[in-house]
Amino acid sequence: DVKVTQSSRYLVKRTGEKVFLECVQDMDHENMFWYRQDPGLGLRLIYFSYDVKMKEKGDIPEGYSVSREKKERFSLILESASTNQTSMYLCASWDRYNEQFFGPGTRLTVL
Amino acid sequence: KQEVTQIPAALSVPEGENLVLNCSFTDSAIYNLQWFRQDPGKGLTSLLLIQSSQREQTSGRLNASLDKSSGRSTLYIAASQPGDSATYLCAVEQGGSNYKLTFGKGTLLTVNP
Repeated sequence: DVKVTQSSRYLVKRTGEKVFLECVQDMDHENMFWYRQDPGLGLRLIYFSYDVKMKEKGDIPEGYSVSREKKERFSLILESASTNQTSMYLCASWDRYNEQFFGPGTRLTVL
Repeated sequence: KQEVTQIPAALSVPEGENLVLNCSFTDSAIYNLQWFRQDPGKGLTSLLLIQSSQREQTSGRLNASLDKSSGRSTLYIAASQPGDSATYLCAVEQGGSNYKLTFGKGTLLTVNP
């Protein structure tokens, strides 16, 4: 059974902390994505990666960075967390010709 | 810029009813369209993927159609059940977008027993 896993379901951090969100997929997909989901705004793409060490900005990259050192792992980094980054974060992987697989999500609260 | 709209935002139906969810997009130059289901507090589950060359896809009680020229897709759910209650989202991959998806905001479906 294919899977996308995320390191935490719930996370509480303080303003200014550095936050790492980890995502791992076991489908050998080249493409991986990070989204945030907020009420009334829907899903918005933060960053995506189409190969190891390759990354591209999505629609709302400000305040975030990413790392993809291995094909199966895609990390989202909040260099200095702020309250407006409180959100649900969703990771996904995809090979375009088949369905896109999402992780269970990480609900991040920044105090 | 591609925009995806889903109407209605919420829908409540009695169990057993057949229903249609609508999705429209502004730019018809798409590679594919996907329908997803999301349960509260959970990630998204892919339901159906329609490539731009296809007109429809079926999976069990679900049927999705695509009319690229008019910028529309519908998700038909037959004989709805309370377990179908969830938010349904559609998303399009824009041509030349390098795998990026643009999502609608979803339709919240409630099926009442």
